[in-house]
Amino acid sequence: QVHLQQSGPGLVKPSQTLSLTCAISGDSVSDNSAAWNWFRQSPSRGLEWLGRTYYRSNWFNDYALSVNSRITINPDTSKNQFSLQLNSVTPEDTAVYYCARIGSPKGDSWGQGTLVIVSS
Amino acid sequence: DIVMTQSPLSLPVTPGEPASISCRASQSLLHDNGNHYLDWFLQKPGQSPQVLIYLGSNRASGVPDRFSGSGSGTDFTLKISRVEAEDVGVYYCMQALQAPLTFGGGTKVEIK
Repeated sequence: QVHLQQSGPGLVKPSQTLSLTCAISGDSVSDNSAAWNWFRQSPSRGLEWLGRTYYRSNWFNDYALSVNSRITINPDTSKNQFSLQLNSVTPEDTAVYYCARIGSPKGDSWGQGTLVIVSS
Repeated sequence: DIVMTQSPLSLPVTPGEPASISCRASQSLLHDNGNHYLDWFLQKPGQSPQVLIYLGSNRASGVPDRFSGSGSGTDFTLKISRVEAEDVGVYYCMQALQAPLTFGGGTKVEIK
């Protein structure tokens, strides 16, 4: 059974970069049947999909238009994990961030969540 | 973007009684591989989402068999055969057929 373990700072200063990592156990980031996603949730914005990375003989990414100019999601096959980087953050980026495996025939699963506060 | 319409918004339930939540997509969620890319999950306060059903009708590991998912094309249903007190929370459907992944508005299930 897959387990996703999130890590990263819970406090980021405005204009800086938010960086989170999602370590995968029980599956491979290179699995060609799943996609590895980042979401966030806040009282003002609800649940919001941010983007995904997936392998289908090559690596692909999709990003939400709302963050497209600021986001990067990268797989790390050597560590079997994937990461989220969100640049130029503002207080509106304050949210609980989740990683998740979605679309796998083996089942979908979410990480434990990381509260990230953007504040000076 | 695929729009997901979920109903009802609120669902008061009696323990032991059945319950049902509907989700409609603005376009078919059927993939060329024959799977419907529709998840149901439950979120309890302060917790991460717990996947109940994936690919339309597959019960996730560890999920009680009182939960079932059905439907095809654009119309899907989550059924709880006999509600238990621990089933309270907000239920969401989510489509994963195409980016951006989108959610229904949520159904808050509470005990009468």
